[in-house]
Amino acid sequence: KQEVTQIPAALSVPEGENLVLNCSFTDSAIYNLQWFRQDPGKGLTSLLLIQSSQREQTSGRLNASLDKSSGRSTLYIAASQPGDSATYLCAVIRGANNLFFGTGTRLTVIP
Amino acid sequence: EAGVAQSPRYKIIEKRQSVAFWCNPISGHATLYWYQQILGQGPKLLIQFQNNGVVDDSQLPKDRFSAERLKGVDSTLKIQPAKLEDSAVYLCASSPEGTGSYEQYFGPGTRLTVT
Repeated sequence: KQEVTQIPAALSVPEGENLVLNCSFTDSAIYNLQWFRQDPGKGLTSLLLIQSSQREQTSGRLNASLDKSSGRSTLYIAASQPGDSATYLCAVIRGANNLFFGTGTRLTVIP
Repeated sequence: EAGVAQSPRYKIIEKRQSVAFWCNPISGHATLYWYQQILGQGPKLLIQFQNNGVVDDSQLPKDRFSAERLKGVDSTLKIQPAKLEDSAVYLCASSPEGTGSYEQYFGPGTRLTVT
């Protein structure tokens, strides 16, 4: 059974700081891994999708890495801003495009 | 391009009542998903449709939950009768295909409170 863990559960950083969010999964037989952002009372916004053959993806200030052999992914956010405050969820994708989500990291960026 | 639409956005019902949620996926997306997200947890897949056929409903509590996707477009999710533990956000998502290499696009969700 696939289990996805995200550490830490909550994180507060001052504005401008670089930070790393962690995601680990138990079954390395995944197709892809996807990072999402969730704002309070809203749905999920896809940030980055890493296919299993890739090691990382970048979009603006975000960089996500994937190490299937160790069952880990990280989301790096550079020069954090108050607008980055949200819950960040990682999800691994297995057969039939099924997403298995972690419990999320709640990020607060303090101005 | 219009996103995934869901309604209602909020619903409050008493236990043992019934409720229905509606989802309209992105135009042309063949695959539609319903997720349940309990407060403090990540979303959990309830059911996945490919066009109007069910691909996976292994985590759907079939004694009280039902879903349909008529004509392979819109979908409804129903709970009858509702229990207190059904209080959650119900998210609908769609993707162009179900092969594992396409992103899923999520709607804003319906927040259900069962009292």
